[in-house]
Amino acid sequence: EIVLTQSPGTLSVSPGERAALSCRASQTVINFLSWYQQKPGQAPRLLIYDASNRATGIPARFSGSGSGTDFTLTISSLEPEDSAVYYCQQRSSWPITFGQGTRLEIK
Amino acid sequence: EVQLLESGGTLVHPGGSLRLSCEVSTFTFNNSAMTWVRQGPGKGLEWVSTIGSNGGKTYYADSVKGRFTTTRDNSKNTLYLQMSSLRADDTAIYYCAQRVLGVERDWGQGTLVTVAS
Repeated sequence: EIVLTQSPGTLSVSPGERAALSCRASQTVINFLSWYQQKPGQAPRLLIYDASNRATGIPARFSGSGSGTDFTLTISSLEPEDSAVYYCQQRSSWPITFGQGTRLEIK
Repeated sequence: EVQLLESGGTLVHPGGSLRLSCEVSTFTFNNSAMTWVRQGPGKGLEWVSTIGSNGGKTYYADSVKGRFTTTRDNSKNTLYLQMSSLRADDTAIYYCAQRVLGVERDWGQGTLVTVAS
């Protein structure tokens, strides 16, 4: 099973600033890495798939990078509505696994 | 816009059984793999199961293998999760998601399963 480790656990950033969220895999996932956003009481929402492709309707301030075992979700110019928990997920091999999540707080 | 509606969640005793349903309003249901993901109270996301578009292949997390069965009825645009031998640690919100190009793109709002005596 591929273990995904996300860091930091919690990130507190001011509006307008940039946030970088990390996801590290225990073995290569090539580029089969997705990012999801989840707000309280809501279902997860797909942001990024295959490491760097934005899903339909996702603002350009969200971007993904990385390959192999190290990946980053970058949110430029943070807005208050970006406050959420962010999860990475790999689909390189079964079982599909998720990271434990990073909580992003907007100051 | 794709809509997914889960149902069937309720309070069930340990050792009991339950069937969840996920009705999908899209003409692409027949061509899409489908996934169940769950989230325990205050916890992260846990993949449960994925089924191929024609139901021929299914995959399960070790934590549910042998106890849960995923099926689908393409004539009804509906996905099912049959759960048996339920345990307290199965308590969670269960989400269904439509897989598009290998990615869980569209999600339902979830249904709550509580396993308690």
